[in-house]
Amino acid sequence: NAGVTQTPKFRVLKTGQSMTLLCAQDMNHEYMYWYRQDPGMGLRLIHYSVGEGTTAKGEVPDGYNVSRLKKQNFLLGLESAAPSQTSVYFCASRASRELVYGYTFGSGTRLTVV
Amino acid sequence: QQPVQSPQAVILREGEDAVINCSSSKALYSVHWYRQKHGEAPVFLMILLKGGEQKGHEKISASFNEKKQQSSLYLTASQLSYSGTYFCGTDARTSYGKLTFGQGTILTVHP
Repeated sequence: NAGVTQTPKFRVLKTGQSMTLLCAQDMNHEYMYWYRQDPGMGLRLIHYSVGEGTTAKGEVPDGYNVSRLKKQNFLLGLESAAPSQTSVYFCASRASRELVYGYTFGSGTRLTVV
Repeated sequence: QQPVQSPQAVILREGEDAVINCSSSKALYSVHWYRQKHGEAPVFLMILLKGGEQKGHEKISASFNEKKQQSSLYLTASQLSYSGTYFCGTDARTSYGKLTFGQGTILTVHP
């Protein structure tokens, strides 16, 4: 049981390049989230999805796009990377907000934009 | 709005106790607690629901004061393995299960 898998684990981009981060979960969870973590700022929500085919903006969505074409996958895209997007990105999933379950996080993607 | 955690950092010796607090300005449905080791993903510790009881996990327990919208995490007889950054995550009723995290509390346990 893999849980939540993120790829890639590390990436270096040049300013202006694009990339897609993949999050895959095998727990049949409805809710999925993308967070970024920066020193001293905790985790900030970028986008989230409450089911296949749905997406919504979080706290810091600018510069990012997402898609959830399949229930198990949640993709985060950077169309034109900027140095301010250097961060550690975590994907998380959750079964349902009505149950007493927390988030299951992926292992993270460390992105550097130069 | 981001919940506020206090203190920002705690240094303990093995066997000592610590309390980490989390305060929110919003009405909350639940409060989550997570621990993150350096270079790793956050790991879920426990959830406190509105109207629920104090929860416990090994020697780590937590409470949720609904009137004050505050939660506290209690670590007793700390072990070296407790070292890490602790985050509270708050869930407001209309938030579709998404959490707003505090800035974290760094806990260091020395032998």
